[in-house]
Amino acid sequence: KQEVTQIPAALSVPEGENLVLNCSFTDSAIYNLQWFRQDPGKGLTSLLLIQSSQREQTSGRLNASLDKSSGRSTLYIAASQPGDSATYLCAVLMEYGNKLVFGAGTILRVKS
Amino acid sequence: SQTIHQWPATLVQPVGSPLSLECTVEGTSNPNLYWYRQAAGRGLQLLFYSVGIGQISSEVPQNLSASRPQDRQFILSSKKLLLSDSGFYLCAWSPGGDGYNQPQHFGDGTRLSIL
Repeated sequence: KQEVTQIPAALSVPEGENLVLNCSFTDSAIYNLQWFRQDPGKGLTSLLLIQSSQREQTSGRLNASLDKSSGRSTLYIAASQPGDSATYLCAVLMEYGNKLVFGAGTILRVKS
Repeated sequence: SQTIHQWPATLVQPVGSPLSLECTVEGTSNPNLYWYRQAAGRGLQLLFYSVGIGQISSEVPQNLSASRPQDRQFILSSKKLLLSDSGFYLCAWSPGGDGYNQPQHFGDGTRLSIL
């Protein structure tokens, strides 16, 4: 059974800091890994998707890496801003079945 | 462009009452559709997914059911709600066929409280 773990559970940083969110998974039989953002009481917004054959993806100040063999991904946020405050969720799409398995998320607060 | 609509936004129901949550997608054909539940402080749990009209796969045994009466319509139902059904319910879609390998797009969710 796939298990996805996100560390830390919560993070509070001052504005302008670079930060790293971690995600690990136990089963490497994945098609892709996705990072989402969730604002309080809202749905999820897709940030980055890394195919299993890729090592990283970048979008603006966000960079996500994937090491499939070790079951790890990181989301790097450069020059954090108060608007980045949200819950960040990591999910892996399993090779068997049409199923995304999510971690519990990291709650990020960027203080101005 | 594609859009996903989910309603109602919030719902308060007594234990034992029925439930119907609706989700519709616009701007695409034959999407894969998903229902998730998010309990407080926990990750999303996939409840049902559908690759076509009338085709429903259940991931978690429970007193909930799903139906897809039309290509872009996905309904989550229950005949009798339990206290444990409280949570945040999210509908999502991804492109059909090989599109399961594309990002999933989520609705704004329904906050369900059972009293």
